[in-house]
Amino acid sequence: QQQVKQSPQSLIVQKGGISIINCAYENTAFDYFPWYQQFPGKGPALLIAIRPDVSEKKEGRFTISFNKSAKQFSLHIMDSQPGDSATYFCAASIRANTPLVFGKGTRLSVIA
Amino acid sequence: GAVVSQHPSWVICKSGTSVKIECRSLDFQATTMFWYRQFPKQSLMLMATSNEGSKATYEQGVEKDKFLINHASLTLSTLTVTSAHPEDSSFYICSARPGARENTIYFGEGSWLTVV
Repeated sequence: QQQVKQSPQSLIVQKGGISIINCAYENTAFDYFPWYQQFPGKGPALLIAIRPDVSEKKEGRFTISFNKSAKQFSLHIMDSQPGDSATYFCAASIRANTPLVFGKGTRLSVIA
Repeated sequence: GAVVSQHPSWVICKSGTSVKIECRSLDFQATTMFWYRQFPKQSLMLMATSNEGSKATYEQGVEKDKFLINHASLTLSTLTVTSAHPEDSSFYICSARPGARENTIYFGEGSWLTVV
């Protein structure tokens, strides 16, 4: 049973456009929702994270929108750049010292 | 953000030999570290949770006798792939959580293992 469902699997966005990646979760005990960016051959790097008591969090060009009632959260990348081309993973965890549950990832390609 | 270092970045070993991968938290103490395995173009698969001073907790389907995990100190966890076979070839990634902060988890750069 996949606890975090991520879509789309791949995404192509024009330079300067908005990239939107969505995730849905099933376990209402999740209380931490991070997004990771991974370049080929590298480990995932934490981009931004949110807790369920906040509906939106913005850091630079990256914004997380969180809908607790729908059990969904999304990553928006504004003014997408070719350097943003990577695989993005959403994740969730229940509490400290429990492992993250990952979505299957979204391969983003930003084309000029 | 906090730094997690893995070594080696890549390693090639012969079938039947063992290889050790180290994971270090450089600027924080980590009572818990997590080991993941990732196949090309796939998500991260949790292998085990490594707890300092105690036995690791392995995920279902992960052979604990094949993937030995030791968390000897608050800054070091090791993964030893014993009697490696070509099917063990993969990208192994560790992660650690600074205990004093929120649920933030930082990942190492990963280690490519190729068994020939």
